[in-house]
Amino acid sequence: SQTIHQWPATLVQPVGSPLSLECTVEGTSNPNLYWYRQAAGRGLQLLFYSVGIGQISSEVPQNLSASRPQDRQFILSSKKLLLSDSGFYLCAKGTGEKLFFGSGTQLSVL
Amino acid sequence: AQKVTQAQTEISVVEKEDVTLDCVYETRDTTYYLFWYKQPPSGELVFLIRRNSFDEQNEISGRYSWNFQKSTSSFNFTITASQVVDSAVYFCALSAGGADGLTFGKGTHLIIQP
Repeated sequence: SQTIHQWPATLVQPVGSPLSLECTVEGTSNPNLYWYRQAAGRGLQLLFYSVGIGQISSEVPQNLSASRPQDRQFILSSKKLLLSDSGFYLCAKGTGEKLFFGSGTQLSVL
Repeated sequence: AQKVTQAQTEISVVEKEDVTLDCVYETRDTTYYLFWYKQPPSGELVFLIRRNSFDEQNEISGRYSWNFQKSTSSFNFTITASQVVDSAVYFCALSAGGADGLTFGKGTHLIIQP
């Protein structure tokens, strides 16, 4: 199974508020997990990836953070959202040979 | 560093026309993978194809075909007899196969008009 659960589907948050987006996956244990962001008019930008519990690699310095408290759970967080954090956030699992994506969360920071 | 360029931001054609989406990539890796994903209005990314760098054979799947040319670092995608349901954003992506995922182009918004 390559099922990837992401929620919420849409989210509107005020500037300065905290953020928590959750992603859970099904299938084989110890999957590689990824957070991508798609800003308006731009491609997909890799934010974080994780090869195991507690292991997080950050690709882009910013006010976001990620955590992997369980094998199949990947959380994207922020303590204080910025306007520039608006975008479409996609969770993915897999490897560099193929990625499967969740349905995404549309975040609007106002 | 890896880079994927999709120079066409938006393409609009009339239904039944053929359309080609361009993708040019840069990498120093000798082994790598190329991908195309489709993003319909729902937002979810749908995997279309993966090619590895050692396989330059072109591939056809129904109305879809892909032309991989290592000499020009291109991996172009052609839709024959386009249909309205083909309307979507299409992403080309590149990976060296490691844990750090895929590098995506900025996408091409394809509009098929009835």
